[in-house]
Amino acid sequence: AQSVTQPDIHITVSEGASLELRCNYSYGATPYLFWYVQSPGQGLQLLLKYFSGDTLVQGIKGFEAEFKRSQSSFNLRKPSVHWSDAAEYFCAVRTLGGGGNKLTFGTGTQLKVEL
Amino acid sequence: DGGITQSPKYLFRKEGQNVTLSCEQNLNHDAMYWYRQDPGQGLRLIYYSQIVNDFQKGDIAEGYSVSREKKESFPLTVTSAQKNPTAFYLCASSTQGVGTEAFFGQGTRLTVV
Repeated sequence: AQSVTQPDIHITVSEGASLELRCNYSYGATPYLFWYVQSPGQGLQLLLKYFSGDTLVQGIKGFEAEFKRSQSSFNLRKPSVHWSDAAEYFCAVRTLGGGGNKLTFGTGTQLKVEL
Repeated sequence: DGGITQSPKYLFRKEGQNVTLSCEQNLNHDAMYWYRQDPGQGLRLIYYSQIVNDFQKGDIAEGYSVSREKKESFPLTVTSAQKNPTAFYLCASSTQGVGTEAFFGQGTRLTVV
């Protein structure tokens, strides 16, 4: 079965420091991968997505992610974190099944930014 | 503006009562989804629908029911059979393509007392 693993439950970085959030997926076919961000009590906003082509994808708010098939990873990065980036981040994979396609999420990484 | 509207934002119910959460979208999306979010567990899929009058169970469908009578609407009923219904519920929609993202509503926080 398809799955997404986000190994880090909480991450704390200083403002201005670089950030990398890890995501590993398990899926037999070509994955369609997404990163979302969620502020407290809100819905999810798409940061970026990958489904083919260049393995380094750019997203909104200065985020980027790199797809590495050999490592089954899709890590999210940002060169310099801002205090407003504090939120919860979710990695997701879209998969095909008997009932159609669906989106499976990881358990999320809570990012705290120290000023 | 196009988007997904979930109502209400906060909902309180007594144990043993059924409750229905509303989800409406005006994005002309064929697919709609319901997720449940609990701290430390991410988003877990309850039900999803690819087309009107059709829906499939997700990973945690027990104690929930849905209907899809209109393209724009995908209400979720939390029944008394759901053993731990207090949670944050998120509705989403998307087009049918596998490379397309899902768009989310602002969520409904259900508290059962």
